[in-house]
Amino acid sequence: EAQVTQNPRYLITVTGKKLTVTCSQNMNHEYMSWYRQDPGLGLRQIYYSMNVEVTDKGDVPEGYKVSRKEKRNFPLILESPSPNQTSLYFCASKPGGGIYNEQFFGPGTRLTVL
Amino acid sequence: DQQVKQNSPSLSVQEGRISILNCDYTNSMFDYFLWYKKYPAEGPTFLISISSIKDKNEDGRFTVFLNKSAKHLSLHIVPSQPGDSAVYFCAATNDYKLSFGAGTTVTVRA
Repeated sequence: EAQVTQNPRYLITVTGKKLTVTCSQNMNHEYMSWYRQDPGLGLRQIYYSMNVEVTDKGDVPEGYKVSRKEKRNFPLILESPSPNQTSLYFCASKPGGGIYNEQFFGPGTRLTVL
Repeated sequence: DQQVKQNSPSLSVQEGRISILNCDYTNSMFDYFLWYKKYPAEGPTFLISISSIKDKNEDGRFTVFLNKSAKHLSLHIVPSQPGDSAVYFCAATNDYKLSFGAGTTVTVRA
């Protein structure tokens, strides 16, 4: 089944404790992206990657890191999480070759930073 | 500053009637627009899209209209069904970044 998977689905952590949220897709997509969803703000893009070893900032990259060492994986790293990073996070992927195609989203990771 | 705005946080409609969701954008460079649907505890799923060279795109019960001069698009769902109860996000792009609106929660009443 074609899908985007995220792990963990739920995470409660404390301020300053480094964490990684993994994202993997099995559709051989070139493009991958991370979003956060907050009430009243919709989804905001954190980082995106056009292909392996190519990443770029979205609208809200502060406090986050990403890497794209393999085509299928795009982990989101919070080196020192803070309470304002409590949010619902979504990973997405889409084929390369232009902007005129839709992104496929993972099921989401709900992160709480105490 | 949000470039895509959905000013109605919620919409309640009777089953069988039309649902109309609205979306406004400020960036005149956007040239591709999408609607996503989201159920609780799931990721958004693609619903329908339209490119700026068109003013209408239809897919079954779903039609999206684009008014470039007004920087406005709308999604029509006819007829509305109970399974349409979800959050709908409008999104726009002109490169590899995607901007979303805040979403509209649609409730279809029996």
